[in-house]
Amino acid sequence: GQQLNQSPQSMFIQEGEDVSMNCTSSSIFNTWLWYKQDPGEGPVLLIALYKAGELTSNGRLTAQFGITRKDSFLNISASIPSDVGIYFCAGQRITGTYKYIFGTGTRLKVLA
Amino acid sequence: GAVVSQHPSRVICKSGTSVKIECRSLDFQATTMFWYRQFPKQSLMLMATSNEGSKATYEQGVEKDKFLINHASLTLSTLTVTSAHPEDSSFYICSAPPPSVRQETQYFGPGTRLLVL
Repeated sequence: GQQLNQSPQSMFIQEGEDVSMNCTSSSIFNTWLWYKQDPGEGPVLLIALYKAGELTSNGRLTAQFGITRKDSFLNISASIPSDVGIYFCAGQRITGTYKYIFGTGTRLKVLA
Repeated sequence: GAVVSQHPSRVICKSGTSVKIECRSLDFQATTMFWYRQFPKQSLMLMATSNEGSKATYEQGVEKDKFLINHASLTLSTLTVTSAHPEDSSFYICSAPPPSVRQETQYFGPGTRLLVL
């Protein structure tokens, strides 16, 4: 099945550092979403983006819907140990179908 | 907030047996639910769309006779892995879009880990 490309694949950072990750596609998407998944759990929604150029924050998290509609970015400021986990982007190509294509994931590890 | 539950959380079965996994929306009704499969250290792959009152829609490459889906009510969808084999061992996750928020948003269940011996 199709997947979105996420970068980086994994990263180790020091507590307090800012983190950036992105998700790219060769296709246009109408909706971008960012999820976090802890080991053995289902994904939890972090941020949803609905139009090109949109910049949305949720606490220390900020995400942007790329202007070309082919990419999205997630930033985490002042990382803390509980930020560890796998971050997935998900795109929806056709509005109203609810079908997602997931990214390959970015595994984040925070060093205290 | 909207909650989606799954049961069981983990199951171990012998090869050749069938396993049923339940997905429930706890505080909202869902005419549509989705089933995903996730192999270790990989992303979620959509398997099928479960439709209340009608047949499920399967993604390309997913065997509908292998993965039986029944959306019996507006709060329950079941996935039955028939004649399970070791290669079916995976993490199965369901999701549902709650009606109270923008419907592009989905809430995921906690997942069911299946191990076929």
